Amino acid sequence: DTEVTQTPKHLVMGMTNKKSLKCEQHMGHRAMYWYKQKAKKPPELMFVYSYEKLSINESVPSRFSPECPNSSLLNLHLHALQPEDSALYLCASSQDEVSGYNEQFFGPGTRLTVL
Amino acid sequence: GQSLEQPSEVTAVEGAIVQINCTYQTSGFYGLSWYQQHDGGAPTFLSYNALDGLEETGRFSSFLSRSDSYGYLLLQELQMKDSASYFCAVSSEGQKLVFGTGTRLLVSP
Repeated sequence: DTEVTQTPKHLVMGMTNKKSLKCEQHMGHRAMYWYKQKAKKPPELMFVYSYEKLSINESVPSRFSPECPNSSLLNLHLHALQPEDSALYLCASSQDEVSGYNEQFFGPGTRLTVL
Repeated sequence: GQSLEQPSEVTAVEGAIVQINCTYQTSGFYGLSWYQQHDGGAPTFLSYNALDGLEETGRFSSFLSRSDSYGYLLLQELQMKDSASYFCAVSSEGQKLVFGTGTRLLVSP
């Protein structure tokens, strides 16, 4: 299984809602990532989990809260978002290498719209 | 800061060869990767260079010059399905991947 799955595919939420994005992989990877991608722009790293511990937080606002319940699952909890947070949210995973080769496998993403 | 620059758009015809350049300025560097992303799709890995030189994988090749902070992706025998966005990305701090600005490749018949 070389697939990263994400749910839901699409999400529309109001600024006062609380929702969660989910990501799952069964490749035995120990590093998992959240990226945000705006239209016609590159993916921007948000968070990195390594061995289920948060290792990188790219100064993301606290209205985004990541969680890694186990080595296969990654969640992104959303609360009090702004319309400018509307984007494609991509999850990825890779073998946990300290340095060097780091092929990342991406999920199909969740397209989020904040009204 | 970190920056990776690519041409915004490249056009070519089927069967042609195209080169997509990437110049980078980063605080740490382990290697340069290339990813392909079709509209509405997820990025998919194409190649990785840690050392200077050319890496060949089928119709795609990737080149790196660490001294020049420069790399390129070479696509041969272009097909319509190669129309997509291509991103270079620098691996730094181990797991961190910083993506370039992206190049939209349009292949015409």
